[in-house]
Amino acid sequence: KAGVTQTPRYLIKTRGQQVTLSCSPISGHRSVSWYQQTPGQGLQFLFEYFSETQRNKGNFPGRFSGRQFSNSRSEMNVSTLELGDSALYLCASSLGDRGPNYGYTFGSGTRLTVV
Amino acid sequence: KQEVTQIPAALSVPEGENLVLNCSFTDSAIYNLQWFRQDPGKGLTSLLLIQSSQREQTSGRLNASLDKSSGRSTLYIAASQPGDSATYLCAVEEAGGTSYGKLTFGQGTILTVHP
Repeated sequence: KAGVTQTPRYLIKTRGQQVTLSCSPISGHRSVSWYQQTPGQGLQFLFEYFSETQRNKGNFPGRFSGRQFSNSRSEMNVSTLELGDSALYLCASSLGDRGPNYGYTFGSGTRLTVV
Repeated sequence: KQEVTQIPAALSVPEGENLVLNCSFTDSAIYNLQWFRQDPGKGLTSLLLIQSSQREQTSGRLNASLDKSSGRSTLYIAASQPGDSATYLCAVEEAGGTSYGKLTFGQGTILTVHP
């Protein structure tokens, strides 16, 4: 089956602009989580969406937002970009149920560079 | 607050060696622990998922153990190969509450296997 698809793979943006990243989960998966990965902070949780509802949110400013569509595809948006937003953004797909035997499958990520 | 620590931060070994990567976590109330591999600039590839009730999981040359009560996991790689060179990350999913979709990651172990 197809894996988790993230687009675009690379982005270069200027400070102050906004950006939208996309994630298509594995077919049948209804949960999408987003993470930011930087060399200094490692992998940090941004938020999670399930059936078009945000169920959980990490400690990021309001410039970071997301949404999920009825086909489970998710987008995240970062407004008023700062240099510190340069990172690899990863999304993870899961069934959405919670329990010991439910794991997460990650996409290849979007590399965002803010100049 | 859950914290995950991985030791060592980096490891360089000659091809053919058996090696052990360590992961510790502070809160034992977890659903599972997942080991991932990340190649430079790429996404995460899931290697093994150990449910909270399990003691170990095996896949090929990889064996992961879990001691939930002591908050520790190890990833054993047998007969290492240059193709095993990557960053290895462990992550836990906390049980209960509303921590939907959130994995807490360690900082990773950078493994280099030289011919």
